[in-house]
Amino acid sequence: QKEVEQDPGPLSVPEGAIVSLNCTYSNSAFQYFMWYRQYSRKGPELLMYTYSSGNKEDGRFTAQVDKSSKYISLFIRDSQPSDSATYLCAMSAYNNNDMRFGAGTRLTVKP
Amino acid sequence: GAGVSQSPSNKVTEKGKDVELRCDPISGHTALYWYRQSLGQGLEFLIYFQGNSAPDKSGLPSDRFSAERTGGSVSTLTIQRTQQEDSAVYLCASRPSGGGQETQYFGPGTRLLVL
Repeated sequence: QKEVEQDPGPLSVPEGAIVSLNCTYSNSAFQYFMWYRQYSRKGPELLMYTYSSGNKEDGRFTAQVDKSSKYISLFIRDSQPSDSATYLCAMSAYNNNDMRFGAGTRLTVKP
Repeated sequence: GAGVSQSPSNKVTEKGKDVELRCDPISGHTALYWYRQSLGQGLEFLIYFQGNSAPDKSGLPSDRFSAERTGGSVSTLTIQRTQQEDSAVYLCASRPSGGGQETQYFGPGTRLLVL
C-alpha cells in the first residue's frame, strides 16, 4: 500500500461545477498538507498549504484535513477551464523535508 | 525575479548512455531537491541538498544516479548507463534557508526519454 493514495482520474466536469479532489494517507505522523497544481509541461505550483486538521479557504479553493480519518480534500467552486490541470496532494511530518506526494488527479473543466 | 530553471527541457538518449541534467535554483535558496515524476506516479524524492551539509541521498534508486551541487548553487543530476525505466520527468525544487514546505518552488522539469 502506498503511503499516499490519490485517484488519478481523469476527472471531467462542466464549467461552473464544484470539484472535489481527495487523498488518503497511512502515516499518522503527517502534519503538513499541501495541494499543488501542475499545468501540462510545467512544474507543480503550490495552491494550498494547511497544518494539522481543519479547513482553509482561499478564493474559490477550500482545503480540508481530517486527521482522524487520514483524509484530505480540495474543493474548487465555480470551476473554470483555466483550472484544467493535474492536482497533486503532498504531505510531510516535518515542515522542512521529506514530502510524500500523491499520484495526481488530472482535471478537465469543459466550457 | 527568476524562478528555478532546468536544462535541457527535453532529452532523448539511447540506452546505456550517460546523461546530465542541470538545475539553477532561485538565487539565495540554500535547499535544493531533485524529484522524479513517472507517468501516472507521484513525485518520487531523489536527493536533497541543504547548504554545506552532507546531502540526503536516501531516495536515489540505484548507484547509477548521482548528484552534486557546486558552490551551493547550481546542481547536476547524472544518470549513468541509462535504462528505459529511467524515462521520466526530472524536477528540481529550491527553498530558502529556514523556509517551510510552502516556500518550495519547482522548476519546469527535464523530460528524459531513453530509447
